[in-house]
Amino acid sequence: NAGVTQTPKFQVLKTGQSMTLQCAQDMNHEYMSWYRQDPGMGLRLIHYSVGAGITDQGEVPNGYNVSRSTTEDFPLRLLSAAPSQTSVYFCASSPWSSYNEQFFGPGTRLTVL
Amino acid sequence: EDQVTQSPEALRLQEGESSSLNCSYTVSGLRGLFWYRQDPGKGPEFLFTLYSAGEEKEKERLKATLTKKESFLHITAPKPEDSATYLCAVRMDNYGQNFVFGPGTRLSVLP
Repeated sequence: NAGVTQTPKFQVLKTGQSMTLQCAQDMNHEYMSWYRQDPGMGLRLIHYSVGAGITDQGEVPNGYNVSRSTTEDFPLRLLSAAPSQTSVYFCASSPWSSYNEQFFGPGTRLTVL
Repeated sequence: EDQVTQSPEALRLQEGESSSLNCSYTVSGLRGLFWYRQDPGKGPEFLFTLYSAGEEKEKERLKATLTKKESFLHITAPKPEDSATYLCAVRMDNYGQNFVFGPGTRLSVLP
């Protein structure tokens, strides 16, 4: 099992550009989430999904979109990048049977100039 | 406001020098407290779940405990490979993925 994979590992964008961060898991987990991690702050939840076709907002959803058409994939779209979105982004998944135990991907470091 | 704080922000220990990390929370309706380990440049790795005051969990040199207001991660005779940032998180309800993470404690264990 590859676990949770994220691409790209690093990305630099200019203000106003859009892009999609990819997340995939091969563990057949129902729950998937996107977090951002900023220095001195805890991980903050952006969006999450409890299954294919079901998504909901987290603590900091503005400027981001998600969709979940398959169990495996949960892409995060930045609509119009802003410098405030410079951060490290983590995708996580967990199974319905133990949904509190999240498996995290290796992260994507995003810089918006 | 629901909040999770961790102390100290950073901790340097000599190999074999035991210590404790603290996680304090002010949330209503706690539905679980979780500890994660995060190595530099990597995603967090799940360690423990605690659900009720008085509960304890152990894994190798780590032991996590929970009271009504805080949790401690005790590290006994640490080794350099225990160096990492330790995150705690709480869950306030049973719906969705409503976790609140603390900022972490950066632990360095010197040989």
